[in-house]
Amino acid sequence: KAGVTQTPRYLIKTRGQQVTLSCSPISGHRSVSWYQQTPGQGLQFLFEYFSETQRNKGNFPGRFSGRQFSNSRSEMNVSTLELGDSALYLCASSLGTTRGGELFFGEGSRLTVL
Amino acid sequence: AQKVTQAQTEISVVEKEDVTLDCVYETRDTTYYLFWYKQPPSGELVFLIRRNSFDEQNEISGRYSWNFQKSTSSFNFTITASQVVDSAVYFCALILNQAGTALIFGKGTTLSVSS
Repeated sequence: KAGVTQTPRYLIKTRGQQVTLSCSPISGHRSVSWYQQTPGQGLQFLFEYFSETQRNKGNFPGRFSGRQFSNSRSEMNVSTLELGDSALYLCASSLGTTRGGELFFGEGSRLTVL
Repeated sequence: AQKVTQAQTEISVVEKEDVTLDCVYETRDTTYYLFWYKQPPSGELVFLIRRNSFDEQNEISGRYSWNFQKSTSSFNFTITASQVVDSAVYFCALILNQAGTALIFGKGTTLSVSS
């Protein structure tokens, strides 16, 4: 069974640019969540998509956005990049139909903003 | 407010030692779920255990065991006879019943096991 796939694994951008990260969930999973991991703030929830709808959102500025496609693949976008956006972005998939269900994480996309 | 505290930032042990990772959580909700995840150098978070707030039974899985105590709001994780492969960052996390997949993570404990 294929796991959660995130692309790209590594990328470098400069301030002011925008970036799009992709996540392919486990087959059959309809929920995709995104997390940001930084040394200072740790792991923080960005948002969750379920059946192409944003179901939950963390406390991040509007520069952070996402979407989900009909095949459950998800993308997140960060516009007008800032140095503080440098982080490991983790995607997690789950069935999404049970409360407190297990999340399966990908290896992440490591973004460096110069 | 909800919060997860892992007071131990780093722990170093020698192989075959037992080690306990502490986790204390805060929530006023009565229904919630607690998790432990392991993060090896590759970056992905590996699920270890899930426990709901109504199930205080301790659990053992091989060398791993978990002690959930609602009275002290703690959900501690013990590795028995540690091995070098156990070296990783371990995260304790909390989800409220109504919060979907919005995990609230602790800051993590880095465990180093030397041979």
